[in-house]
Amino acid sequence: EIVLTQSPGTLSLSLGESATISCRASQSVSSNYLAWYQRKPGQASRLLIYGASVRATGIPDRFSGSGSGTDFTLTISRLEPEDFAFFFCQQYGSSPTTFGQGTHLEIK
Amino acid sequence: QVQLVESGGGVVQPGRSLRISCEVFGVSFRGYAMHWVRQAPGKGLEWVAVISSDGDNKYYADSVKGRFTISRDNSRKTLFLQMNSVRPADTAVYYCARPPSPVAGTNYYYDFWGRGTLVTVSS
Repeated sequence: EIVLTQSPGTLSLSLGESATISCRASQSVSSNYLAWYQRKPGQASRLLIYGASVRATGIPDRFSGSGSGTDFTLTISRLEPEDFAFFFCQQYGSSPTTFGQGTHLEIK
Repeated sequence: QVQLVESGGGVVQPGRSLRISCEVFGVSFRGYAMHWVRQAPGKGLEWVAVISSDGDNKYYADSVKGRFTISRDNSRKTLFLQMNSVRPADTAVYYCARPPSPVAGTNYYYDFWGRGTLVTVSS
């Protein structure tokens, strides 16, 4: 199965800055089937990006995904207070689907 | 408002059984496959099981195969996970999740997730 390694584990940034989260796969992700999610304490996870770069419905354009093959990135520009949360990636190009360990984005 | 609400978690002794549920509100259930995904303390998410929209096709992770059974009641918009012969390694928050497809495969992302229910296996 494909192992996804996210970095960093924790990211401390200030409001207005940009966040960059990496998701590296142990082998190429078929068709760039890579998704990103956001989860806040006590809330359900929210789909942000699928297909490596396609924003889900209702997701602001401050969130962008990029990458292909084994290296993928989630970028959040102009951080707002509601952006601080837990983020994780998922590859769904190979069975079974697998997930990254996650990144905590915290206010500096 | 879309909500997937898990319930039924708790403390269970090793070797015993537990059934958890996921009721879906505000979004279609009948036409979509449904999954269970879990996250053990301090670890990443792990896919557990999937069931097709009509309930005919089911697949499981090797770690739970033969012990867990996924099922659904479309009339009640509810997903179930019957957990038998539980082990300490099954301790986790269990999430239900809905992909944008009726097919029981793992080649999909998830449109909607629940908040999870905690299952603790301990004597």
